[in-house]
This record gives sequence, structure tokens and C-alpha cells, in this order.
Amino acid sequence: QKEVEQNSGPLSVPEGAIASLNCTYSDRGSQSFFWYRQYSGKSPELIMSIYSNGDKEDGRFTAQLNKASQYVSLLIRDSQPSDSATYLCAAAAAGKSTFGDGTTLTVKP
Amino acid sequence: GAGVSQSPRYKVAKRGQDVALRCDPISGHVSLFWYQQALGQGPEFLTYFQNEAQLDKSGLPSDRFFAERPEGSVSTLKIQRTQQEDSAVYLCASSQGDSSYEQYFGPGTRLTVT
Repeated sequence: QKEVEQNSGPLSVPEGAIASLNCTYSDRGSQSFFWYRQYSGKSPELIMSIYSNGDKEDGRFTAQLNKASQYVSLLIRDSQPSDSATYLCAAAAAGKSTFGDGTTLTVKP
Repeated sequence: GAGVSQSPRYKVAKRGQDVALRCDPISGHVSLFWYQQALGQGPEFLTYFQNEAQLDKSGLPSDRFFAERPEGSVSTLKIQRTQQEDSAVYLCASSQGDSSYEQYFGPGTRLTVT
């Protein structure tokens, strides 16, 4: 079992809908959590970071963290075709970040 | 400002050759990380530097892999006697603090071992 688990997808949503991406982690020592977007053939790009329980909003993106459930999620509102990419969840502890294998999102016009 | 840069972007090596991959982090970033990413998977941690100190090398797959950051800035990942299973994208990332801080990735080096 991987330390950070994500549904591989693909997740397909229509343009304008809300996309919901989920992630669970096993290391209770994890302190910081990140969402990265990775377009095909490109490197990961940081889109959200979250450090404490609750919600954090940035534009169309909302990250949610529940440390008791060891669960992190990312909501993308008003999804656009340009949001089509693989979304990587990462959990950081003791100088090391562990990534999930990503969820592929397709937004259909 | 300038982001993380890596060179070369692509490297083809014959099995058994040695390769050296370079990473130039964002200026002033204290920490530097190396990851290996296989197709369809997330980045796998290789090693981590804070300034010139290599604090964690637990992810290096074998003693053929070696990384250094002698002056606390540019880093080199060296792979000796390359094998086909070393074929992957090697990603470098830097952050202002340790891994608890946001990491910014370079474009990666795609290594193909033939």
C-alpha cells in the first residue's frame, strides 16, 4: 500500500462543473500537504498548499484537510478544459515529501 | 525571477555509461530535492539537501546513484554504470525551507538507457 493514495481516474467532468479530487495518507507525522498539477510531458506545478485542518480557498481551487481522517481533497469550481491534467497529492514530513500517483482529470467542453 | 533549471533536458546513454544531471535551484532557496518519475506514476523521492548538507538519501535506489551540492547551490545527480531500469524522468525541486514548504520543480531530465 502506498503512503499516499489517490484514485487514478480518469475523472471526467463537463466544463463549468465542480471537480472533486481525493487523497489519503498513512503517515500521521505528515505536517504539510500539497496539490500539484502536471500536464502531459511537463513537470509538476504547485497549485495549493494546506497546513491545518479545514478549508483553504484560492480562486477556483479549494483544498480541504482532515488530519483525524488522514484525508486531503481538492475542489475545482467552474472547471475549464485547461484544467485537464494529472493532479498529484503530496504529504511532507521530516524533510521528505511523498507523492501519490495522481488523478487524471478531463474537462469536456 | 528565474525558476529551477535542469540540464540536459534529454539524455540517451548506453547501458554501462555514467551520466551526470545538473540542477540549478531558485536563487536563495535553502533546500533542494531530487525525484525520479516513471511514466504514469508520481515522483519518487531520491535525496534531499539543506544547503550543502545531504540530510536524507534514503530514496537512492542503489550505490550507483550519488548526489552532491558542494556549495549549497547547484546540485549534480550522478548515475554510474547505467541500467535500463534507470530510464525515467529525473526531477529537481527547491524550496525556501525544508520539505514542509512549497517546492518548485524544474523541467526535468528525461534519461533513456539503451
